[in-house]
Parts: sequence; C-alpha cells; structure tokens
Amino acid sequence: DAKTTQPTSMDCAEGRAANLPCNHSTISGNEYVYWYRQIHSQGPQYIIHGLKNNETNEMASLIITEDRKSSTLILPHATLRDTAVYYCIVRSLYSNSGYALNFGKGTSLLVTP
Amino acid sequence: DTGVSQDPRHKITKRGQNVTFRCDPISEHNRLYWYRQTLGQGPEFLTYFQNEAQLEKSRLLSDRFSAERPKGSFSTLEIQRTEQGDSAMYLCASSPRTSGNEQFFGPGTRLTVL
Repeated sequence: DAKTTQPTSMDCAEGRAANLPCNHSTISGNEYVYWYRQIHSQGPQYIIHGLKNNETNEMASLIITEDRKSSTLILPHATLRDTAVYYCIVRSLYSNSGYALNFGKGTSLLVTP
Repeated sequence: DTGVSQDPRHKITKRGQNVTFRCDPISEHNRLYWYRQTLGQGPEFLTYFQNEAQLEKSRLLSDRFSAERPKGSFSTLEIQRTEQGDSAMYLCASSPRTSGNEQFFGPGTRLTVL
C-alpha cells in the first residue's frame, strides 16, 4: 500500500470548514483513498473513501486531485465534536490481509469555539 | 447496541502473566480484525479472520500473541508472558462480506503491564 503524508496538527474555528490535506504521491491505479477518524478514547470511525472521483456523504466531502497524488477531506461546518485524529489511508481493494488498514499517525484536528 | 463490543475495557496485569481479550463483532459480519495502538501512534494491524479461518497472522508481534475465532463469531486475543512493552490499546474491528470498505471498530481494551 502507498505511503501517505499528513500534517501533524491543525486548528479550525467552530462553524468553519475544516480542510485536511493528504499526500499520496506513490498511489497506484487500483488503490483507494480512505479516511477514518478517532475521537479520544474511542475506536476509529469510517468517514469516506474514493478512487478518483470526488465523493460526498453526510459526514464529509473527499476531493481527489486529477493525478490522484493528493486529496483533501472537507468537513463543511466543523463542530467541537469533530475534534479528533484524522487518518488518511491508501489501500488496494484486493489484499491478502482482507482489507486490513495501514494507519499512519494522522492529523490531530482541534476545533475551537 | 449492535456495535462491536470488547471485554474487558481495561486490564492491569503483572509482567509475566497471561491475558486474554474478547471481541464480539457485529452480528453476521464475517471479517474480524485485531489492531494494537500505542500512545501517539495510529492503530497497527495484527491479524485477520474470515469466518473462523485466520487468513493473516504474519503481523502478530511475536509468538506470545495468538488469536482464535472458533465458531466464526466472537474472537479472543491472548498474550502470554506479558512484557511492559505490551502495554497498549487493543482494538477489534469487523466488516461484512458484502463490502470491504468500512470497518466498524470496538472501543478497545486498554492493557497496562506493570
């Protein structure tokens, strides 16, 4: 699976959009981009995933560049409950590990009042 | 609540003792995963089951670690002869047959080895 690079930490004001970047310059054609988050003292939670098209669900939007070497997770109206560590993960759909996730250190997002 | 459950939530043990953790996945999820998370790091994959078959175990940290899922439902993770370096959060996740995209995580078991 390709390696990802994320900023260590970010701040965002409550009510504003939080834009979390991720670089995955070595991504290959069959690898998807996944985002999970982990609120303090809880297990990780799935947010969204995509291959090459932009995706949106009730939690967030995922913007993937045309060359697929980077992506941005957008939380459109951040709330205090969005304070968490956000993990960008690149993974092939077909794996001997049955879809095991390779977490890095993620981005610690702090949403402030 | 029909989410993934783990028991116990916290375990304190002395070095050299054996410990066993239990994970109950979401009903009818055929895939089950174990991860370990140390302070300041993301979760690290340990092993994976599809039904009762353990299909990936090469990433278990040592031969002191073993996992079972005897009837394809709940799973146990055992650590023998615990060491202080085993102190960590142990997370379980499950996913359904129909999709490999979303894994549902339990709250974890926090192990402290004194």
